[in-house]
Amino acid sequence: GAGVSQSPRYKVAKRGQDVALRCDPISGHVSLFWYQQALGQGPEFLTYFQNEAQLDKSGLPSDRFFAERPEGSVSTLKIQRTQQEDSAVYLCASSLGRVAGDLNEQFFGPGTRLTVL
Amino acid sequence: GQQVMQIPQYQHVQEGEDFTTYCNSSTTLSNIQWYKQRPGGHPVFLIQLVKSGEVKKQKRLTFQFGEAKKNSSLHITATQTTDVGTYFCAEVHRDNYGQNFVFGPGTRLSVLP
Repeated sequence: GAGVSQSPRYKVAKRGQDVALRCDPISGHVSLFWYQQALGQGPEFLTYFQNEAQLDKSGLPSDRFFAERPEGSVSTLKIQRTQQEDSAVYLCASSLGRVAGDLNEQFFGPGTRLTVL
Repeated sequence: GQQVMQIPQYQHVQEGEDFTTYCNSSTTLSNIQWYKQRPGGHPVFLIQLVKSGEVKKQKRLTFQFGEAKKNSSLHITATQTTDVGTYFCAEVHRDNYGQNFVFGPGTRLSVLP
C-alpha cells in the first residue's frame, strides 16, 4: 500500500509569511509524529498525535508552530511568521501504535524542505 | 535534558571493510531503534532492541544492546556501496504526555569502491 506522503515537497517562503505543511499517514496508523531535521543533523521531535489527540507538543520551538490532526488521519503543521531559522526539512512519521505507549516502527514520509528567505 | 550521542560522526571505509557505529546515553534506555537515511532520502526503520544484552542480526548488520541498557552498536560486515548513508539511533522516551523519540546526531558512512 501507499506509504506516508507529504506536501509540498519543497516550499520557499519569505520571512514573515505563514506556511502549512501537510502529512498523509499510512491508513490505519494511530500515531503520527512531526520532526524537524536541519542539514547534517538528526530529526528533532516536534509533536506527537494519537488519533486526533495531540499528546505531546513539547518539541515545538515556539508558539509560532501549530499542529493539528482533526479527524485522526491527515495532519497539518503550520508555521506562522516564518523566520530564517525555521529553514529545515520537516518530516512526518506514522506508526501503528494501537495501544497507548505501544512501541512500533515509524514510517517516515519524504519530508518537506522549507527555505525561508 | 535527555541526550543520545553517537560516534563517530563520520566514517569513510573501503568497500569490503567493516564498520561500527556506537550510540550512548547518559540515562538507562527503555529501548533503542536504529534507522538508516540515504542521501536525500528519509529515515527508514532497521531494528528495535528492547532487552538488556540483546543481539539481532540482519544479513551483514549486527545490532547490540548493552547489558546496562545505556549503549547500543550497529556493526556492518564487509561494507558495500549500498550501505552508504547516515545511521541514526533513536531512544523511545515516555513521559506523562505519551511518547516521543530522541534521535542521535547520526553517523555518516561513506564507502569507497
